[in-house]
Amino acid sequence: DAMVIQNPRYQVTQFGKPVTLSCSQTLNHNVMYWYQQKSSQAPKLLFHYYDKDFNNEADTPDNFQSRRPNTSFCFLDIRSPGLGDAAMYLCATSTRGAGAETQYFGPGTRLLVL
Amino acid sequence: GNSVTQMEGPVTLSEEAFLTINCTYTATGYPSLFWYVQYPGEGLQLLLKATKADDKGSNKGFEATYRKETTSFHLEKGSVQVSDSAVYFCALSDAGGSYIPTFGRGTSLIVHP
Repeated sequence: DAMVIQNPRYQVTQFGKPVTLSCSQTLNHNVMYWYQQKSSQAPKLLFHYYDKDFNNEADTPDNFQSRRPNTSFCFLDIRSPGLGDAAMYLCATSTRGAGAETQYFGPGTRLLVL
Repeated sequence: GNSVTQMEGPVTLSEEAFLTINCTYTATGYPSLFWYVQYPGEGLQLLLKATKADDKGSNKGFEATYRKETTSFHLEKGSVQVSDSAVYFCALSDAGGSYIPTFGRGTSLIVHP
């Protein structure tokens, strides 16, 4: 089945230790998104790629970086995680075109910062 | 700019009760409207959508009608089950402008047996 896969599902890191979260998709969608979701809140968009074009949200901290080496994969790098970065990180994809832009989400990676 | 307003939760119901979760929106242009559901510990899943005024989206017994005159997209279900317990997000996507979706803050639904 076509899907969005996130690894790992749970990630524990230490304060200040770089961590990378990964996302892959078999949908061949041209747009990929990274969201941060804290408890009882809506997902907050960090950045997205439209093909290879990177789009950063204005309020995304510099501590967060992303890479998209090809259509299928996208990575979220947190250079120096702080306690406030503990959250669920959601990857999503969509295909841009006329009409509705349904997003397809992965199961998320829950990040714990010790 | 675009915005989505959802009713505050949690909504607590008994099994087989009728459900309504209100959602209103503000948008420039002609947005598409969505309801996503998030079960505990999981990502969001599309529940239903509507792309133009008066369209009704439906899935798994849930339905919502795109009301342009009241800028609303309320979610309804005639008889909820315990398994419907989740967080529900209303969202819009303005294909005529930015294709980035705007999410509401989510409404938690708790269904008791």
